[in-house]
Amino acid sequence: DTAVSQTPKYLVTQMGNDKSIKCEQNLGHDTMYWYKQDSKKFLKIMFSYNNKELIINETVPNRFSPKSPDKAHLNLHINSLELGDSAVYFCASSQVLTGTSGEQYFGPGTRLTVT
Amino acid sequence: DQQVKQNSPSLSVQEGRISILNCDYTNSMFDYFLWYKKYPAEGPTFLISISSIKDKNEDGRFTVFLNKSAKHLSLHIVPSQPGDSAVYFCAASAIGNTGTASKLTFGTGTRLQVTL
Repeated sequence: DTAVSQTPKYLVTQMGNDKSIKCEQNLGHDTMYWYKQDSKKFLKIMFSYNNKELIINETVPNRFSPKSPDKAHLNLHINSLELGDSAVYFCASSQVLTGTSGEQYFGPGTRLTVT
Repeated sequence: DQQVKQNSPSLSVQEGRISILNCDYTNSMFDYFLWYKKYPAEGPTFLISISSIKDKNEDGRFTVFLNKSAKHLSLHIVPSQPGDSAVYFCAASAIGNTGTASKLTFGTGTRLQVTL
């Protein structure tokens, strides 16, 4: 029973294309996130949504647009893909409660390769 | 500007011995510190956390120690087992203004190899 799932797991595409990565969580969490892990293995937050509302928006190019149709889904659409977008993208979810660490639960990742 | 640092990219420990993974941070405003474990081709898995007002938290074989004055935390695994071989990420959490999202800042990870 997968808690946080992402599709596709691997994505190979050419520069200039537009692509989407989908994420779904069945944990009943209110908050979802997108992270990027680059070639140096540095895991960095990109966006966060709470109940379909954008909460965190780090310095990310406008070509990246998250979309949350409901609180269980957070998709990532990328326009005009560039070589530097090649990375592993992780989706995560959490339920932030007072007095808790706000630990996040991660999906398996999507390896995006732009050629 | 790396606010969370793991200066040891790798660590090798014999089975049954103690593994000690270290992490340093620069921002005093973090609310919690967390450790995640990651196997290849999988997402990070939450392991253990500690509040910034505590100095120790223990869960089975895993103990996290926090030294606020030194801005340093460590994860102790004892006894180490071959299944513990993975990349361990230290992360610091700051609850956002809305109280509805936690922003995790990750270190670059330490690869732990537990040998027989």
